[in-house]
Amino acid sequence: EDKVVQSPLSLVVHEGDTVTLNCSYEVTNFRSLLWYKQEKKAPTFLFMLTSSGIEKKSGRLSSILDKKELFSILNITATQTGDSAVYLCAVGGVSWGKLQFGAGTQVVVTP
Amino acid sequence: DVKVTQSSRYLVKRTGEKVFLECVQDMDHENMFWYRQDPGLGLRLIYFSYDVKMKEKGDIPEGYSVSREKKERFSLILESASTNQTSMYLCASSRLAGTYEQYFGPGTRLTVT
Repeated sequence: EDKVVQSPLSLVVHEGDTVTLNCSYEVTNFRSLLWYKQEKKAPTFLFMLTSSGIEKKSGRLSSILDKKELFSILNITATQTGDSAVYLCAVGGVSWGKLQFGAGTQVVVTP
Repeated sequence: DVKVTQSSRYLVKRTGEKVFLECVQDMDHENMFWYRQDPGLGLRLIYFSYDVKMKEKGDIPEGYSVSREKKERFSLILESASTNQTSMYLCASSRLAGTYEQYFGPGTRLTVT
């Protein structure tokens, strides 16, 4: 059975801190790993990773995939209160188009 | 910009009622999905559709059905609502091939009393 596990489930940090979120997976015929950010509304797309070892970066957010060890990390540097959200990891495998989601990590950034 | 809209943001229904949740996308996407989101469980796939009139069961289809009569519209039906179907329901769409990126609607928070 496909599985996506995120850790930690929640964390609280101060503005300016760096946050590292983890996502490990066991998925048949892995194709892609995606990160989404969800505030109190629809999840919004952050990154899609398909190749191992290549970092994707957008502003203060970055992510990398390790296909050998079956995990990805999402880093947020110099956190701001606007980074407070649930961060979702999802993996695409054998069935084209379908995603298997993790439970999410709730990040709270305090001023 | 891709837009996925859902018919209601909040809905309150009674046990045993038939409930319709509607989703419309404007990007001519082939794939459409219905998820429910519960605390600690993440997004779980209920049903998805890769073409008009085509549907496939997801991980938790029991108690639900779907309808896709037009490409842009995907409906989720709760035949007889129960309290354990109280949840946030999210609709999403994506292209048929080439990417796994899904675009989400704002969600419908359904409460069954």
